[in-house]
Amino acid sequence: DAKTTQPNSMESNEEEPVHLPCNHSTISGTDYIHWYRQLPSQGPEYVIHGLTSNVNNRMASLAIAEDRKSSTLILHRATLRDAAVYYCILRDWGGSNYKLTFGKGTLLTVNP
Amino acid sequence: SQTIHQWPATLVQPVGSPLSLECTVEGTSNPNLYWYRQAAGRGLQLLFYSVGIGQISSEVPQNLSASRPQDRQFILSSKKLLLSDSGFYLCAWSWDRETYGYTFGSGTRLTVV
Repeated sequence: DAKTTQPNSMESNEEEPVHLPCNHSTISGTDYIHWYRQLPSQGPEYVIHGLTSNVNNRMASLAIAEDRKSSTLILHRATLRDAAVYYCILRDWGGSNYKLTFGKGTLLTVNP
Repeated sequence: SQTIHQWPATLVQPVGSPLSLECTVEGTSNPNLYWYRQAAGRGLQLLFYSVGIGQISSEVPQNLSASRPQDRQFILSSKKLLLSDSGFYLCAWSWDRETYGYTFGSGTRLTVV
């Protein structure tokens, strides 16, 4: 499986934008970039995913580098409820790999 | 809409006792189903996944087994629990299409004593 690298932790202030980086230098052409987040004592929650173009939804935006070797999850205005572990994962669509492999993720702390 | 149900929410079991955790999905057909475990302070580990009835793939050798007796039912079992089986168990489902992500259940916190 292609690997991703994320910072172990990041800190933000409430109502400020947050940019969570992810490196995936060995990404293949058929890998989708998925982001999930996990709040304490809860299961992971799907946030957003994309292939090549930048993506926006009600939760966040995903900016994908032109060479696809990195991406950034953008929370436009962080709230205390956004404090969670954020996982960047590659999902192979082109093969028979049906599974998502979670790494350690980035622990986001939001200060009031 | 699709929903995923997982129970029980918490469970305390003695070492050597059997285990059965159930996960069901509603509002969809032929989903891919997954069991993950998260040990205290650690990341999510994929245990089993299933792409259809009776089709189970195991990711790591362990004291656990999984079964899929019906299209939308996924069961995690053990004949004899070990202390190391303690953790947060999560079931998830997905369609195998690029436009869909995974949806996780609310999890079962298992403590083996």
